[in-house]
Amino acid sequence: QVELVESGGGVVQPGKSLRLSCTASGFIFSKYGMHWVRQAPGKGLEWVAVLAYDGSNRYYAESVKGRFTISRDDSKNTLFLQMNSLRPEDTAVYYCTKGWDYADYWGRGTLVTVSA
Amino acid sequence: EIVMTQSPATLSMSPGERATLSCRASQSVGSNLAWYQQNPGQAPRLLIYGASTRATGIPARFSGSGFGTYFTLTISSLQSEDFAVYYCQQYNEWPPYTFGQGTKLEIK
Repeated sequence: QVELVESGGGVVQPGKSLRLSCTASGFIFSKYGMHWVRQAPGKGLEWVAVLAYDGSNRYYAESVKGRFTISRDDSKNTLFLQMNSLRPEDTAVYYCTKGWDYADYWGRGTLVTVSA
Repeated sequence: EIVMTQSPATLSMSPGERATLSCRASQSVGSNLAWYQQNPGQAPRLLIYGASTRATGIPARFSGSGFGTYFTLTISSLQSEDFAVYYCQQYNEWPPYTFGQGTKLEIK
């Protein structure tokens, strides 16, 4: 069965960096586009970034463009999100999701808290 | 950017009743629309894609309809586990992929 497990969240000061990971299993990781979606406490869902199955195309929300980088390591079935210059408004649960168009599977998420 | 607007924000209903949730797009998204369900403290799960196709394992009481700018999610007979927050998402024109703000379905 498909499983996505995020890790790397935690408490970080504004301006600092954090790297999230998402380890996938139960499907051929290298054949699928993957997204990061976040959810601020008590709020709705916000799309963050997407990466094509072959790494050829990647896109970002305007709110994170220039600060976040999505990448993948197919040899380790892992998706990454490098987050730099973090802001308090980046505080959220970050989910990785499988699929290029719609998200047919979601991980449980990892909480990132940006606070002094 | 395509703006997705869901209504109502909160829907109060009783088990066994029929629920209809709406989602409107600021411009046509064709049938490139998905619905997700999120229970408290859990990750969202896919219910419907292509506006009307149920995802794997989704009960038949869930159905989606619509095309273009107006879509509905119908739950034919509410079960206790259906009381949750529901989101629509368009994937016709991106980036960005955009979600509605959600409809909370609560027990009356």
